[in-house]
Amino acid sequence: EVQLVESGGGLVQPGGSLRLSCAASGFTFSTYWMHWVRQVPGKGLVWVSRINSDGSSTSYADSVKGRFTISRDNAKNTLYLQTSSLRAEDTAVYYCARYRLGFFADVWGKGTPVTVSS
Amino acid sequence: DIVMTQSPDSLAVSLGERATINCKSSQSVLYTSNKKNYLAWYQQKPGQPPKLLIYWASTRESGVPDRFSGSGSGTDFTLTISSLQAEDVAVYYCQQYYDAPYSFGQGTTLDFK
Repeated sequence: EVQLVESGGGLVQPGGSLRLSCAASGFTFSTYWMHWVRQVPGKGLVWVSRINSDGSSTSYADSVKGRFTISRDNAKNTLYLQTSSLRAEDTAVYYCARYRLGFFADVWGKGTPVTVSS
Repeated sequence: DIVMTQSPDSLAVSLGERATINCKSSQSVLYTSNKKNYLAWYQQKPGQPPKLLIYWASTRESGVPDRFSGSGSGTDFTLTISSLQAEDVAVYYCQQYYDAPYSFGQGTTLDFK
């Protein structure tokens, strides 16, 4: 079964850091571009970042550029999002998604919640 | 950056009736070399992650009922549900994948009338 499972979310103080992980199974992870998308509960989807299949190219939303780093370990079939200098407005559920052909998300994880609060 | 704007924000339709959701991009998402529109539609039900419905603006994802269809080109796109079923109550999003940041529309909430 094709599956993505996020972990690493939680409660963190403003200015803190978290590393989110996304474990992939059931498909050849190393051949897919992967993205992170976040969603404040009750609000819309916001694209955060993407990485190409071998990790050599990344892209970020302006709101997280310089604070978040996307990476992957193809040997471990795992995607990461290292977050730092977290702000209250980063509070959201973070989804990882597999992008078919690098373009559209055909598989999503269930998400991991991040709450930034003192 | 490309801004995606959906209309309406919410929509109430009777069971069995047609639902139409619009999505407009601030610049064309048509890639002229391959004549493909870099636009997808997703459905999200409460407590669930989004689900891919349509890609390349009009190609239905495998397993998606044929009452869902996508149309449009360039900057103006439409998702149509030909005959609303109970399980179609959800929030619908368009997303452009023409260029980073890969922006989503704000979402359209579809409910029963």
